Amino acid sequence: AQSVAQPEDQVNVAEGNPLTVKCTYSVSGNPYLFWYVQYPNRGLQFLLKYITGDNLVKGSYGFEAEFNKSQTSFHLKKPSALVSDSALYFCAVRDPGGNTPLVFGKGTRLSVIA
Amino acid sequence: KAGVTQTPRYLIKTRGQQVTLSCSPISGHRSVSWYQQTPGQGLQFLFEYFSETQRNKGNFPGRFSGRQFSNSRSEMNVSTLELGDSALYLCASSAGADPGEQFFGPGTRLTVL
Repeated sequence: AQSVAQPEDQVNVAEGNPLTVKCTYSVSGNPYLFWYVQYPNRGLQFLLKYITGDNLVKGSYGFEAEFNKSQTSFHLKKPSALVSDSALYFCAVRDPGGNTPLVFGKGTRLSVIA
Repeated sequence: KAGVTQTPRYLIKTRGQQVTLSCSPISGHRSVSWYQQTPGQGLQFLFEYFSETQRNKGNFPGRFSGRQFSNSRSEMNVSTLELGDSALYLCASSAGADPGEQFFGPGTRLTVL
């Protein structure tokens, strides 16, 4: 069964600095990988996905993520953090090889400090 | 296009009662998934429906059930509520069977007293 780990419950970064939110996954085949963001009292919003192709995926709001098959990672990155990026971030994986659901990590809370 | 809507947005129930939550997907979307979100456990998968058929079910007790109608609207039901069922219940829709991105509703906040 597929699984996702987000090793950090909380990430703090100063405004203007680069940010990284970590994600590692476990899946039997080639994974479908996703990042979502949740702002307070809101549902989740899609940020980006990796299905196939280029390992560097660009998404909404200046975010990008790099698929690393050898390290089974899909870290979310942004070159310059904004205070408005403060939110809860979820990584998710789906195994394309079977009829399986999307599995989410437990989330990482990002705080960008002015 | 209107987004995913969930009703009601907030609900307070007492232990032992039952509750029904509703989800209307984006027009044209045939797949609906349900998740339970709690602070300690993150998002836990409940069910996934596609064209009225349950494709997947998460590891929840039989008190949790769901269904999807021919217009793709979905409901989930929780019977004999327990305090631990207090959570944000999120519904998400996607266009089809392919693993494209899911579009989430705002959720229903269920509080069990």
